[in-house]
Amino acid sequence: AQSVTQLGSHVSVSEGALVLLRCNYSSSVPPYLFWYVQYPNQGLQLLLKYTTGATLVKGINGFEAEFKKSETSFHLTKPSAHMSDAAEYFCAVSVVSNTDKLIFGTGTRLQVFP
Amino acid sequence: EAGVAQSPRYKIIEKRQSVAFWCNPISGHATLYWYQQILGQGPKLLIQFQNNGVVDDSQLPKDRFSAERLKGVDSTLKIQPAKLEDSAVYLCASSLGEKLFFGSGTQLSVL
Repeated sequence: AQSVTQLGSHVSVSEGALVLLRCNYSSSVPPYLFWYVQYPNQGLQLLLKYTTGATLVKGINGFEAEFKKSETSFHLTKPSAHMSDAAEYFCAVSVVSNTDKLIFGTGTRLQVFP
Repeated sequence: EAGVAQSPRYKIIEKRQSVAFWCNPISGHATLYWYQQILGQGPKLLIQFQNNGVVDDSQLPKDRFSAERLKGVDSTLKIQPAKLEDSAVYLCASSLGEKLFFGSGTQLSVL
């Protein structure tokens, strides 16, 4: 069975600093991998996804993630944090499709300090 | 484009009471999902509908949870009777093709 582990339930950075949110997955078949963001009192929103092809995936709001099969990782990065990036971020995996049977990690809350 | 609508936004009940949540997906979206998000955990899929048929309900606690999607549009999720451990945010999502759209959820507190 597939699973996702997010390292660090809370991450704090200064505005302008590098954002790095860690995600490791477990899957016996090639996975679909996702990062979702959840702002307070809002639904989850897709940031980016990996299906096949290029391992460096660019998403919205300047975020990107790299699929590393050898490390079973899909870490999320952004070169320069903005105050508006403060939110909860979820990594997810599926072995079925972009929308079905998603298994989510426990989330990482990102705080951005001025 | 209107998003996925859910109501109520908040609900507080006592254990052993019943509760129902409503979801209106994005117009034209054939697939609808209900997720349970317990505090400190990621969302967990409860049930998936394709039009008005159930595709996957393997993680739905069927002794107390039920869901229906009449006419392949709106959906309701019911809990009867509720337990303390049912306190969570219940998220509805819909999809058409490759993208999943989430509602803002119903926060349930069971006292």
